[in-house]
Amino acid sequence: GAVVSQHPSRVICKSGTSVKIECRSLDFQATTMFWYRQFPKQSLMLMATSNEGSKATYEQGVEKDKFLINHASLTLSTLTVTSAHPEDSSFYICSARDWGVSAQPQHFGDGTRLSIL
Amino acid sequence: SQQGEEDPQALSIQEGENATMNCSYKTSINNLQWYRQNSGRGLVHLILIRSNEREKHSGRLRVTLDTSKKSSSLLITASRAADTASYFCATSETSGSRLTFGEGTQLTVNP
Repeated sequence: GAVVSQHPSRVICKSGTSVKIECRSLDFQATTMFWYRQFPKQSLMLMATSNEGSKATYEQGVEKDKFLINHASLTLSTLTVTSAHPEDSSFYICSARDWGVSAQPQHFGDGTRLSIL
Repeated sequence: SQQGEEDPQALSIQEGENATMNCSYKTSINNLQWYRQNSGRGLVHLILIRSNEREKHSGRLRVTLDTSKKSSSLLITASRAADTASYFCATSETSGSRLTFGEGTQLTVNP
């Protein structure tokens, strides 16, 4: 089946550090990828939709300058949390959809646990 | 914004019993999907049901969809301890569009 690889799986860093998270579709092309944030015991909240070759679409309340998204190829999207602070600590999950076939499920990465000290 | 509501929020059963989870949504949809999430992991797709379908089966899973009531249910039969996880429904308003997730049900299957 379709595989999405997310890296790193866990990051612990000091406040003020910028952190980059990668999301790769390994065996399919994904013109669109999605970035979610999940707090403990809560559901997934969509942060932004990443479109290959164009600017990402951010959800209301998500700071574009804080969460930089780059989708430079059909298999890779990156999320950079700039100048991270403790309140940015969360579980970040990406997903990708196999383009070309309608109503297909999204395939999720295994998530990145970000802890800012 | 989250439009899905799931109940129960938490469900604890014994191995071998059936587990039923419900999901309600507010807008028109193209399809509804169920996902499973083990603790600290990503989501695994379980089943997708289109708006013109009423019931779908996959192994021990049975999903129903009632568009008139804007609700869906997920039934897991003959549950196993390995089924312990959080289960989320997610709706898509158009084919291939963004997903809106429900709040999830935490299922615990006791051996």
